[in-house]
Amino acid sequence: NAGVMQNPRHLVRRRGQEARLRCSPMKGHSHVYWYRQLPEEGLKFMVYLQKENIIDESGMPKERFSAEFPKEGPSILRIQQVVRGDSAAYFCASSHLRDRNNSPLHFGNGTRLTVT
Amino acid sequence: QKEVEQDPGPLSVPEGAIVSLNCTYSNSAFQYFMWYRQYSRKGPELLMYTYSSGNKEDGRFTAQVDKSSKYISLFIRDSQPSDSATYLCALIIQGAQKLVFGQGTRLTINP
Repeated sequence: NAGVMQNPRHLVRRRGQEARLRCSPMKGHSHVYWYRQLPEEGLKFMVYLQKENIIDESGMPKERFSAEFPKEGPSILRIQQVVRGDSAAYFCASSHLRDRNNSPLHFGNGTRLTVT
Repeated sequence: QKEVEQDPGPLSVPEGAIVSLNCTYSNSAFQYFMWYRQYSRKGPELLMYTYSSGNKEDGRFTAQVDKSSKYISLFIRDSQPSDSATYLCALIIQGAQKLVFGQGTRLTINP
């Protein structure tokens, strides 16, 4: 997992604050995916991005959540006005387009968001 | 009905036992099948990746896919305490952009 870097590892926010989660993909990877894992549950797809483009955001809540992957810099998952139900582990994964079907996703170690 | 069903366990076995982990799925469009291992407070790491029906072996791990029954399995031989983790199956439709995960099975290997 060392290739995909996520920070911070732990994030504590009070209700109503904003949370910003960052993800740097593996070197050479131009595709980023965000997943959310609630306690005792599997990972749920949120959004798939390429550089400067959102490809699939079908798993993103309609409000308060947004994601970007700029030309330069890490991918950002932003949660506005956080609520306690947003408390979860958020994982980022990356892949190379050419290998998408032959080389599955590589995950980071996640950001654990706690909303108090 | 969930797209992918996986018994969450927990499953506890003695060291050296053969472990069988399973998932069933409902959508026949799933074409790629993966098993990830996740240690506590870590991200998932890929263990096995298969495409076709049949068996694929890698060391002590064997992945089995039965597309006709929509059933996939992961077998661990000579299980070790270091195998204690949560195991997640993950499936993908060819050409699709996202993995669909099972709930994960928490496995403990007792010394």
